[in-house]
Amino acid sequence: GENVEQHPSTLSVQEGDSAVIKCTYSDSASNYFPWYKQELGKRPQLIIDIRSNVGEKKDQRIAVTLNKTAKHFSLHITETQPEDSAVYFCAVGGSQGNLIFGKGTKLSVKP
Amino acid sequence: EAQVTQNPRYLITVTGKKLTVTCSQNMNHEYMSWYRQDPGLGLRQIYYSMNVEVTDKGDVPEGYKVSRKEKRNFPLILESPSPNQTSLYFCASSLTGLTEAFFGQGTRLTVV
Repeated sequence: GENVEQHPSTLSVQEGDSAVIKCTYSDSASNYFPWYKQELGKRPQLIIDIRSNVGEKKDQRIAVTLNKTAKHFSLHITETQPEDSAVYFCAVGGSQGNLIFGKGTKLSVKP
Repeated sequence: EAQVTQNPRYLITVTGKKLTVTCSQNMNHEYMSWYRQDPGLGLRQIYYSMNVEVTDKGDVPEGYKVSRKEKRNFPLILESPSPNQTSLYFCASSLTGLTEAFFGQGTRLTVV
Protein backbone atom coordinates (compact mmCIF):
# COMPACT_ATOMS: atom_id res chain seq x y z
CA GLY A 1 0.00 0.00 0.00
CA GLU A 2 0.85 3.67 -0.03
CA ASN A 3 3.65 4.87 2.24
CA VAL A 4 3.79 8.55 3.19
CA GLU A 5 6.80 10.06 4.95
CA GLN A 6 6.76 13.59 6.35
CA HIS A 7 9.71 15.72 7.47
CA PRO A 8 10.60 17.34 9.73
CA SER A 9 8.60 16.13 12.72
CA THR A 10 9.13 19.45 14.49
CA LEU A 11 9.97 22.87 13.11
CA SER A 12 10.62 26.09 14.96
CA VAL A 13 10.86 29.42 13.14
CA GLN A 14 10.89 33.10 14.01
CA GLU A 15 7.85 35.14 13.17
CA GLY A 16 8.16 36.46 9.65
CA ASP A 17 10.40 33.64 8.45
CA SER A 18 9.33 30.96 5.97
CA ALA A 19 8.55 27.35 6.84
CA VAL A 20 8.79 24.36 4.53
CA ILE A 21 7.45 20.87 5.21
CA LYS A 22 8.09 18.01 2.81
CA CYS A 23 6.33 14.72 2.15
CA THR A 24 7.31 11.79 0.00
CA TYR A 25 5.06 8.99 -1.19
CA SER A 26 5.55 5.60 -2.78
CA ASP A 27 2.66 4.97 -5.20
CA SER A 28 3.28 6.70 -8.53
CA ALA A 29 -0.45 6.36 -9.33
CA SER A 30 -1.39 8.69 -6.46
CA ASN A 31 -3.05 11.86 -7.71
CA TYR A 32 -4.40 13.92 -4.79
CA PHE A 33 -2.21 15.72 -2.25
CA PRO A 34 -3.91 17.74 0.50
CA TRP A 35 -2.48 19.46 3.56
CA TYR A 36 -4.33 19.69 6.88
CA LYS A 37 -3.74 21.96 9.86
CA GLN A 38 -4.61 20.85 13.37
CA GLU A 39 -4.58 23.47 16.09
CA LEU A 40 -4.18 22.35 19.67
CA GLY A 41 -7.27 20.49 20.87
CA LYS A 42 -9.06 20.90 17.54
CA ARG A 43 -9.88 18.70 14.58
CA PRO A 44 -7.73 18.68 11.41
CA GLN A 45 -8.90 21.06 8.69
CA LEU A 46 -7.91 21.31 5.05
CA ILE A 47 -5.75 24.32 4.20
CA ILE A 48 -4.70 23.58 0.64
CA ASP A 49 -4.64 20.72 -1.83
CA ILE A 50 -3.17 19.94 -5.23
CA ARG A 51 -3.83 17.37 -7.91
CA SER A 52 -1.31 15.58 -10.06
CA ASN A 53 -1.96 17.65 -13.17
CA VAL A 54 -0.74 20.80 -11.40
CA GLY A 55 2.81 21.59 -10.27
CA GLU A 56 2.11 24.42 -7.84
CA LYS A 57 -0.81 26.07 -6.10
CA LYS A 58 -0.89 29.19 -3.95
CA ASP A 59 -3.36 30.66 -1.51
CA GLN A 60 -2.15 33.87 0.08
CA ARG A 61 0.79 32.95 2.35
CA ILE A 62 0.65 29.22 1.74
CA ALA A 63 1.69 27.25 -1.31
CA VAL A 64 2.09 23.62 -2.25
CA THR A 65 4.51 22.30 -4.86
CA LEU A 66 4.41 18.83 -6.39
CA ASN A 67 7.19 16.88 -8.08
CA LYS A 68 5.58 13.77 -9.52
CA THR A 69 8.81 12.41 -10.94
CA ALA A 70 10.50 12.45 -7.56
CA LYS A 71 7.25 11.59 -5.75
CA HIS A 72 7.38 14.41 -3.25
CA PHE A 73 5.36 17.50 -2.44
CA SER A 74 5.95 20.37 -0.07
CA LEU A 75 4.04 22.95 1.93
CA HIS A 76 5.49 26.45 2.00
CA ILE A 77 4.33 29.06 4.50
CA THR A 78 5.72 32.57 4.04
CA GLU A 79 5.75 35.45 6.54
CA THR A 80 4.85 33.10 9.37
CA GLN A 81 2.70 34.38 12.23
CA PRO A 82 2.13 32.98 15.74
CA GLU A 83 -1.32 31.74 14.66
CA ASP A 84 0.41 29.45 12.15
CA SER A 85 1.64 27.39 15.12
CA ALA A 86 -0.06 24.00 14.80
CA VAL A 87 0.49 20.44 13.64
CA TYR A 88 0.46 20.08 9.86
CA PHE A 89 -0.36 16.80 8.13
CA CYS A 90 0.22 15.92 4.52
CA ALA A 91 -1.95 13.25 2.92
CA VAL A 92 -1.94 11.26 -0.27
CA GLY A 93 -4.98 10.08 -2.19
CA GLY A 94 -4.09 7.14 -4.31
CA SER A 95 -5.19 4.57 -6.79
CA GLN A 96 -7.45 2.84 -4.27
CA GLY A 97 -9.45 6.03 -3.72
CA ASN A 98 -8.22 6.23 -0.15
CA LEU A 99 -6.51 9.00 1.85
CA ILE A 100 -3.31 8.17 3.77
CA PHE A 101 -1.76 10.70 6.17
CA GLY A 102 1.81 11.47 7.12
CA LYS A 103 2.89 11.52 10.77
CA GLY A 104 2.62 15.29 11.10
CA THR A 105 4.91 18.27 11.68
CA LYS A 106 4.61 20.41 14.77
CA LEU A 107 5.32 23.99 13.71
CA SER A 108 6.15 26.57 16.35
CA VAL A 109 6.34 30.23 15.36
CA LYS A 110 8.18 32.31 17.93
CA PRO A 111 7.18 35.97 18.21
CA GLU B 1 -24.81 23.55 9.05
CA ALA B 2 -22.61 20.97 7.32
CA GLN B 3 -20.96 18.82 9.94
CA VAL B 4 -19.61 15.50 11.11
CA THR B 5 -20.77 14.57 14.60
CA GLN B 6 -19.10 12.02 16.83
CA ASN B 7 -20.33 10.73 20.16
CA PRO B 8 -19.24 10.50 22.84
CA ARG B 9 -16.48 13.15 23.04
CA TYR B 10 -14.85 11.47 26.03
CA LEU B 11 -15.11 7.89 27.24
CA ILE B 12 -13.38 5.94 29.98
CA THR B 13 -14.10 2.23 29.94
CA VAL B 14 -12.72 -1.04 31.26
CA THR B 15 -10.94 -3.76 29.36
CA GLY B 16 -13.30 -6.10 27.57
CA LYS B 17 -16.46 -4.02 27.77
CA LYS B 18 -17.91 -3.58 24.30
CA LEU B 19 -18.40 -0.02 23.13
CA THR B 20 -19.55 1.90 20.08
CA VAL B 21 -18.49 5.35 18.94
CA THR B 22 -21.04 6.88 16.63
CA CYS B 23 -20.33 9.09 13.62
CA SER B 24 -22.91 10.90 11.56
CA GLN B 25 -22.60 13.34 8.64
CA ASN B 26 -25.25 15.52 7.02
CA MET B 27 -23.44 16.31 3.75
CA ASN B 28 -24.57 13.27 1.76
CA HIS B 29 -20.94 12.17 1.46
CA GLU B 30 -20.21 8.74 0.06
CA TYR B 31 -16.79 8.28 1.68
CA MET B 32 -16.33 7.94 5.44
CA SER B 33 -13.37 6.81 7.48
CA TRP B 34 -12.05 6.34 10.99
CA TYR B 35 -8.60 7.37 12.21
CA ARG B 36 -6.79 7.09 15.47
CA GLN B 37 -4.29 9.73 16.51
CA ASP B 38 -1.40 8.88 18.80
CA PRO B 39 1.60 11.08 19.67
CA GLY B 40 4.34 10.72 17.09
CA LEU B 41 2.27 8.40 14.90
CA GLY B 42 0.01 10.88 13.16
CA LEU B 43 -3.40 9.89 11.84
CA ARG B 44 -3.61 6.19 11.17
CA GLN B 45 -6.56 4.88 9.26
CA ILE B 46 -8.60 2.12 10.91
CA TYR B 47 -11.39 1.47 8.40
CA TYR B 48 -12.96 3.32 5.53
CA SER B 49 -16.14 3.05 3.51
CA MET B 50 -16.66 4.17 -0.06
CA ASN B 51 -20.43 3.73 0.06
CA VAL B 52 -23.29 1.99 1.84
CA GLU B 53 -22.46 -1.64 2.63
CA VAL B 54 -18.88 -1.21 1.34
CA THR B 55 -16.13 -1.16 3.97
CA ASP B 56 -12.39 -1.82 3.80
CA LYS B 57 -9.56 -2.17 6.26
CA GLY B 58 -7.12 0.65 6.72
CA ASP B 59 -3.65 0.39 8.24
CA VAL B 60 -4.64 -0.57 11.80
CA PRO B 61 -7.96 -2.49 11.71
CA GLU B 62 -7.19 -5.11 14.40
CA GLY B 63 -9.60 -4.96 17.31
CA TYR B 64 -12.14 -2.77 15.52
CA LYS B 65 -15.31 -3.29 13.51
CA VAL B 66 -17.41 -0.93 11.45
CA SER B 67 -20.68 -1.00 9.58
CA ARG B 68 -22.24 1.23 6.93
CA LYS B 69 -25.93 0.46 6.78
CA GLU B 70 -26.92 4.03 5.95
CA LYS B 71 -25.05 6.71 4.04
CA ARG B 72 -24.95 9.17 6.94
CA ASN B 73 -23.75 6.85 9.73
CA PHE B 74 -20.49 5.00 10.21
CA PRO B 75 -20.14 3.62 13.76
CA LEU B 76 -16.87 2.27 15.14
CA ILE B 77 -17.23 -0.80 17.33
CA LEU B 78 -14.69 -2.11 19.84
CA GLU B 79 -15.94 -5.57 20.77
CA SER B 80 -13.36 -6.16 23.49
CA PRO B 81 -11.36 -2.98 24.14
CA SER B 82 -7.81 -3.24 25.43
CA PRO B 83 -5.53 -0.57 26.95
CA ASN B 84 -3.55 -0.26 23.68
CA GLN B 85 -6.71 1.15 22.10
CA THR B 86 -6.50 4.18 24.35
CA SER B 87 -6.30 6.98 21.81
CA LEU B 88 -7.93 9.99 20.19
CA TYR B 89 -10.32 8.87 17.46
CA PHE B 90 -11.52 10.92 14.51
CA CYS B 91 -14.27 10.18 12.04
CA ALA B 92 -14.11 11.94 8.67
CA SER B 93 -16.32 12.18 5.62
CA SER B 94 -15.81 13.42 2.07
CA LEU B 95 -17.56 13.34 -1.27
CA THR B 96 -15.04 10.77 -2.45
CA GLY B 97 -11.78 9.54 -0.98
CA LEU B 98 -9.99 12.11 -3.13
CA THR B 99 -11.73 15.30 -2.03
CA GLU B 100 -11.70 17.45 1.10
CA ALA B 101 -12.20 15.43 4.26
CA PHE B 102 -14.35 16.92 7.04
CA PHE B 103 -13.48 15.68 10.49
CA GLY B 104 -15.63 15.16 13.53
CA GLN B 105 -14.71 16.72 16.89
CA GLY B 106 -12.82 13.65 18.03
CA THR B 107 -13.43 11.05 20.75
CA ARG B 108 -10.91 10.70 23.54
CA LEU B 109 -11.04 7.03 24.61
CA THR B 110 -9.31 5.64 27.68
CA VAL B 111 -9.34 1.89 28.33
CA VAL B 112 -8.25 0.87 31.83
